[in-house]
Amino acid sequence: DGGITQSPKYLFRKEGQNVTLSCEQNLNHDAMYWYRQDPGQGLRLIYYSQIVNDFQKGDIAEGYSVSREKKESFPLTVTSAQKNPTAFYLCASSMGQTNTGELFFGEGSRLTVL
Amino acid sequence: EDKVVQSPLSLVVHEGDTVTLNCSYEVTNFRSLLWYKQEKKAPTFLFMLTSSGIEKKSGRLSSILDKKELFSILNITATQTGDSAVYLCARRSGYALNFGKGTSLLVTP
Repeated sequence: DGGITQSPKYLFRKEGQNVTLSCEQNLNHDAMYWYRQDPGQGLRLIYYSQIVNDFQKGDIAEGYSVSREKKESFPLTVTSAQKNPTAFYLCASSMGQTNTGELFFGEGSRLTVL
Repeated sequence: EDKVVQSPLSLVVHEGDTVTLNCSYEVTNFRSLLWYKQEKKAPTFLFMLTSSGIEKKSGRLSSILDKKELFSILNITATQTGDSAVYLCARRSGYALNFGKGTSLLVTP
């Protein structure tokens, strides 16, 4: 089945540790995205990538890093510089600018920093 | 300033009621307006609107866009408990979607 797989679903980390969230898609989509969701805040864009080896900062990129070495994969690293990393992280993909806009989402990763 | 504003932020209705959810958006680089339903984890796509005045319909759900007044509404008729969810509105400009804070809908039996 085609879709987006995020792992892990739940993650606990101590303060000061970096953590990497995985996102893999087999939809052959060009564009991939990372969003953060906090209670009462909606979804906020962290980073997005239109094509392999290229990515752009979203609205809240500070304290995060990404890579896009393969079309299928777009991992997100939450660094120790992120002041408030506890949140629900959603990865998404879309066909790119030729598509009119629908994003397909993964099931999310919930990160708790102790 | 928020690019997408949804109202109300939360709503409680009885089964069978009709609800209208509102979404206003910023016009800069506007390409399309999307609605998603989020029950637990992954938001699921409902509608995408690009043209003013053309209603999109799927079962008991419908949505329409007003590009002059910069808003969209999502209507749910004959609500059921399974409609309980957070409904997200998003504006597409370029590659990214800008989301509103969502409307949390609770449908009670």
